Amino acid sequence: EDQVTQSPEALRLQEGESSSLNCSYTVSGLRGLFWYRQDPGKGPEFLFTLYSAGEEKEKERLKATLTKKESFLHITAPKPEDSATYLCAVARGQNFVFGPGTRLSVLP
Amino acid sequence: NAGVMQNPRHLVRRRGQEARLRCSPMKGHSHVYWYRQLPEEGLKFMVYLQKENIIDESGMPKERFSAEFPKEGPSILRIQQVVRGDSAAYFCASSPYITSGGPNNEQFFGPGTRLTVL
Repeated sequence: EDQVTQSPEALRLQEGESSSLNCSYTVSGLRGLFWYRQDPGKGPEFLFTLYSAGEEKEKERLKATLTKKESFLHITAPKPEDSATYLCAVARGQNFVFGPGTRLSVLP
Repeated sequence: NAGVMQNPRHLVRRRGQEARLRCSPMKGHSHVYWYRQLPEEGLKFMVYLQKENIIDESGMPKERFSAEFPKEGPSILRIQQVVRGDSAAYFCASSPYITSGGPNNEQFFGPGTRLTVL
């Protein structure tokens, strides 16, 4: 069964404390992996798309990487405004499978 | 450049009533997806539509739920005879193009409709 899991479920960091979020997937015929950010009460906001193992994408303090079985979202020197839930999703068939998300809190 | 629009933002219904949720995709987007999100849970795919066509409805309950995306106007997610378990946030997303083999590009999400069933 196609599945997407994310760890940790929740993460609390001090401002400036770098860390990584994990997204593991078991999907046959992966055609893309996506990272989104979701703030409370809002819709997800697109961050990155990764298509093949070894690919990396960066945006400000965020960097996403992809292997054949998992993806990492690295957060370097986070700020309180980076606090949000980070979702990963994979494209398979005619639809997408989302993971449950990692709830990130960055304390000042 | 307006983003994906959903209305209403909040909807309260009593058990047994009907709920209609509307989604206007971004300009130039002809592919729409509907998702449901329960508190503290991830997004669950419901249905993928193109103009006048349902492409994949594998995530949508067989009874009481239906979706359409007419040639003109917004996409509609319709829930008949709502029950308390239908209470959730419903998100719509759109994308501009689809490569061969199926969708594999980023989606742009609306702000969601929060449905409460009393």
